[in-house]
Amino acid sequence: DGGITQSPKYLFRKEGQNVTLSCEQNLNHDAMYWYRQDPGQGLRLIYYSQIVNDFQKGDIAEGYSVSREKKESFPLTVTSAQKNPTAFYLCASTADGVVSPLHFGNGTRLTVT
Amino acid sequence: AQSVAQPEDQVNVAEGNPLTVKCTYSVSGNPYLFWYVQYPNRGLQFLLKYITGDNLVKGSYGFEAEFNKSQTSFHLKKPSALVSDSALYFCAVRDTGGGNKLTFGTGTQLKVEL
Repeated sequence: DGGITQSPKYLFRKEGQNVTLSCEQNLNHDAMYWYRQDPGQGLRLIYYSQIVNDFQKGDIAEGYSVSREKKESFPLTVTSAQKNPTAFYLCASTADGVVSPLHFGNGTRLTVT
Repeated sequence: AQSVAQPEDQVNVAEGNPLTVKCTYSVSGNPYLFWYVQYPNRGLQFLLKYITGDNLVKGSYGFEAEFNKSQTSFHLKKPSALVSDSALYFCAVRDTGGGNKLTFGTGTQLKVEL
C-alpha cells in the first residue's frame, strides 16, 4: 500500500538539542510539506518542497531546516533555535500541489523538556 | 492573503440527527476548498473537495459540502450522524490566484452522542 511514513511516533529531547523527524513517501508525489499542529491553532506550514533539491519556507520556518535530496524523503530538523518546539508534526505530500488533496502521515509528537 | 474561519470550536449532535460544520473563507481569486478529518493522534484524512462545477460536493463516509460563493462558505454536512463520526474536522482553502499554499482553519471538534 502506498502512503507516508513518519518516524518515530513519539520523540523526547532535552532543550538545546537538535532533532530530526523522518518523512518517507512511496506515492511518487513531487510535492511534500511539513506542518506543525498545536491545540486550537490548526495546522501551520513550516516548509514545503515542490521538487527534489528545492524547498521554500512556509509561515513558521524559523528554527527549522529541511532537505530534499530524494523524491521520497523530506526530513525536518528542529533546531535549538526553535523557541517552543513541543508540538505534533505532520508530513504530507500531493501529486500536483494544486487540485489534488494532501496525503498525510500519522505524525510525530515531539516533546522537549 | 487567504484565510479560513471555522467559527465553532465544538459541535455536539445526537446520533441520527443531521450535522453541519461551518467554514467560511477569504481569497483574492477563486477558491479550491477541502475538508479533512482527524482522529486522535493520527494524520488528517481527505473527505471531499470543491474545485469547480456543481456547488454540492459529495465525499467519503456520507459527507457532503455546499459551496456558496456569495456567502464565501463551504459548510460540511451529513444527513444522519454516527457516533463514529466524532473527530476533529478541518476546512482548508487554496487560492487559485497564486501559490501552492493550503491554508487550514483551526478545526472543529465534532461530538456525536447516543
